[in-house]
Amino acid sequence: KQEVTQIPAALSVPEGENLVLNCSFTDSAIYNLQWFRQDPGKGLTSLLLIQSSQREQTSGRLNASLDKSSGRSTLYIAASQPGDSATYLCAVNFNKFYFGSGTKLNVKP
Amino acid sequence: DAGVIQSPRHEVTEMGQEVTLRCKPISGHNSLFWYRQTMMRGLELLIYFNNNVPIDDSGMPEDRFSAKMPNASFSTLKIQPSEPRDSAVYFCASSFTGLPGGNQPQHFGDGTRLSIL
Repeated sequence: KQEVTQIPAALSVPEGENLVLNCSFTDSAIYNLQWFRQDPGKGLTSLLLIQSSQREQTSGRLNASLDKSSGRSTLYIAASQPGDSATYLCAVNFNKFYFGSGTKLNVKP
Repeated sequence: DAGVIQSPRHEVTEMGQEVTLRCKPISGHNSLFWYRQTMMRGLELLIYFNNNVPIDDSGMPEDRFSAKMPNASFSTLKIQPSEPRDSAVYFCASSFTGLPGGNQPQHFGDGTRLSIL
């Protein structure tokens, strides 16, 4: 069974700090990996999608990297803001999507 | 772009009743996914369709669950009879060419919060 793990489960940081969220997976044979954010009571909003042939993707203050050989992806958030507070999920496409349990981020003003 | 539309947003019903959840994918998307999210198990894929055809239903928990996609703009997830352990948030997502290896992101609806008493 494929497994996707996200560490830490929760993170609280002061505004302005740069931070890294981690996602690890058990099999390097992936098609792509997608990072989402989920706000309370809402669905998932797609942030970045990395294809298996790519090493990283960037969107604004977000940068996601992928290292298939080590089974890891990181989501880097620069200059964090209170509006970044949400749960961040990674989903790995092994032939169908498997989700991590998420990292709940709180950015304090 | 209207996004993925799910209805109802909330459903509270008594055990044993039939429950029908509805989803309208983004126009032009040809893949549709149903997920269930609980605190204990996180987000799980139940079933996905490509071009209205079910491709993988291995995540459907029991025969009490069924899903249909009669056309490209509508899908239903039905639970009959419902049980308290079915209480969860059910999400629908769509993408363009969402098959394995497909390179387009999934877009999610806001979900249906289901409570079975």
